[in-house]
Formats: sequence, structure tokens, C-alpha cells
Amino acid sequence: EVQLLDSGGGLVQPGGSLRLSCAASGFTFSNYAMSWVRQAPGKGLEWVSGVPDNDDRTFYADSVKGRFTISRDTSKNALYLQMNSLRAEDTAVYYCATNIGGRRFDHWGQGTLVTVSS
Amino acid sequence: DIQMTQSPSSLSASVGDRVTITCQASQDISNLLNWYQQKPGKAPKLLIYDASNLETGVPSRFSGSGSGTDFTFTITSLQPEDIATYYCQQYDNFWTFGQGTKVEIK
Repeated sequence: EVQLLDSGGGLVQPGGSLRLSCAASGFTFSNYAMSWVRQAPGKGLEWVSGVPDNDDRTFYADSVKGRFTISRDTSKNALYLQMNSLRAEDTAVYYCATNIGGRRFDHWGQGTLVTVSS
Repeated sequence: DIQMTQSPSSLSASVGDRVTITCQASQDISNLLNWYQQKPGKAPKLLIYDASNLETGVPSRFSGSGSGTDFTFTITSLQPEDIATYYCQQYDNFWTFGQGTKVEIK
């Protein structure tokens, strides 16, 4: 059974940093593209960042480019999102998701809440 | 960037009703469209992929159609457990979601 466990969220001041983690199990992690998708309180879904399967490229939404860094550790079956220079508008629940073939998000973590506030 | 516009933003229907949601893309995306269901406090769940294919385990009362710029999502007989927000998502150029349609029981 595919399982994704998101962690690392919390309260951080504007300009601060946070690192999110996603622990994956139940599938061959290196064979799947992965993404982070976020949802601001009461709002819709926004794709944030992604990594293809078996590829070193990374992709970012314009809203986070230059501030966020996605990475994966296949030895630990883990996906990460390093978030720097955080802004109030980054406040959201962040979900990791498998992104099969770069097409659909077929499995999701439970989400982790990031709150950027002074 | 490809924009996805869903309508309506919310709807209220009775149990057993047919419910239809539309999604319009700002440019031709062929059939590169998926539909998700999100219940309050939960992660989204994939229902339909590639515009019209039912994800494994999803009840057959859910369906999708369309291609190009205009897409439709249908629940043929609304059930109480279908109360949720539904999102379309394109993957022709990166990934963009529609703004969501909240479905409530009348």
C-alpha cells in the first residue's frame, strides 16, 4: 500500500526558513515523479514544486522560484522541500503527492500546516 | 500559464440528483485533465484521469468527458458521501488546478 507521511510544518516568522519532509513507503520511490501541492486556508489547490522520476531536474511555480528547493533522497525514500524567505502568503497546508508519469497526482500525504506570521 | 475555470463555484442538490460541473481551459489541452474530490480536512483524492478514465475503486456514478478546452464532470446520482469540493487539474503545461466546486446537499 502506498503511504506518504508529511511532516515538518509549524509556525515561522516572515523571512524565516522551514524544511518539510515526506516519508514514502509501499512503492519503488525512485520510479515515481513527486510533487508538493499546497492549499492556503479556505482556498484551492496550488502546485508548488516537482521532481521527475529517475531525473535530476526540478520544477517550481513562479510564486516560489528562488526561495524553495525540492530534493529527494532515494536511500531514505524521502522527499523534501526547503523553504526560505517565507512570506505570509506561503501559509498553507503542504501535501506531497506521487505524480505518476508527470500527469496525475494519484497518492497524497496527509498534509502539514505551515503558518508564516509574526 | 494555462488557467482553469470551473463553474459553478458551489451548488446544492438533493440526494439522487444528477450533478454536473464544468471546467474550461484557457487553451487547448487535448485530454490532459484530471478530476479530484476533497472532503473537509482531508487530502484530495483522484477520481478521473485523462478526462474520462475512472480511477480504480472509484464508484461508477462519477464520470468525466471533454477535450480541447471544455470538460464536464458528472455525478449521476448524488449520494450523501459525495459532499466535498471537486477540482479539475490540467497537465499540458506544468500543473494547474481549477478554483474548485463545493457540492452540498439540499
